[in-house]
Amino acid sequence: HVQLLESGGGVVQPGRSLRLSCAASGFSFNTSGMHWVRQAPGKGLEWVAVISKDGSTEYYRETVKGRFTVSRDNSQNTLYLQMDSLRPEDTALYYCAFIGAIYGVPMEDYWGRGTLVTISA
Amino acid sequence: SSELTQPPSVSVSPGQTARITCSGDGLDRKYSYWYQQKSGQAPVVVMYEDSKRPSGIPERFSGSSSGAMLTLIISEAQVEDEADYYCYSTEKYGNHVIFGAGTKLTVL
Repeated sequence: HVQLLESGGGVVQPGRSLRLSCAASGFSFNTSGMHWVRQAPGKGLEWVAVISKDGSTEYYRETVKGRFTVSRDNSQNTLYLQMDSLRPEDTALYYCAFIGAIYGVPMEDYWGRGTLVTISA
Repeated sequence: SSELTQPPSVSVSPGQTARITCSGDGLDRKYSYWYQQKSGQAPVVVMYEDSKRPSGIPERFSGSSSGAMLTLIISEAQVEDEADYYCYSTEKYGNHVIFGAGTKLTVL
């Protein structure tokens, strides 16, 4: 049974930091590129970042580049998102996901339930 | 970065065919995919590589591609198909994922 469990969300002021975690189980985490995707309240899906299976390569959307850092600990089957210099527009439900379809394995497409990040003064 | 354009909403009566389009530069040169997201739930893949249906997805779901336009077709739409539908693809040599803004399908 595949499980992705995000944690670390909360309410913080603009300019502050948060670190999200995603505990993975039930699939080969250490052979999977992992993504963070966010969804602002009432809005659509927005891809945030991806990290390669071994953690050697990361990519980010332009609006978070230089502020967010994705990392992983394969020994703990855990994905992280360090978010610095947070802005009100970063307010969203943050999902960690293995987007299997883009790797040719559409039946292996896993998402967590998300953790809510609210940036407000 | 490129964009994927979807209509904000599509509305059909039960039993009718719903068509949701997605257009964007480069879609004719790379694969695209569709997610269904019901209220309060995580997305589910309903179409991959333009027109392939994952096992477990009803046969009434199909996909087509013509040039830079992708279409998700839901034949004989049912009330339970009401959801937000997102097309998505990759860019920057497959290293970024881009989502369309989503289409709210209403079946009533």
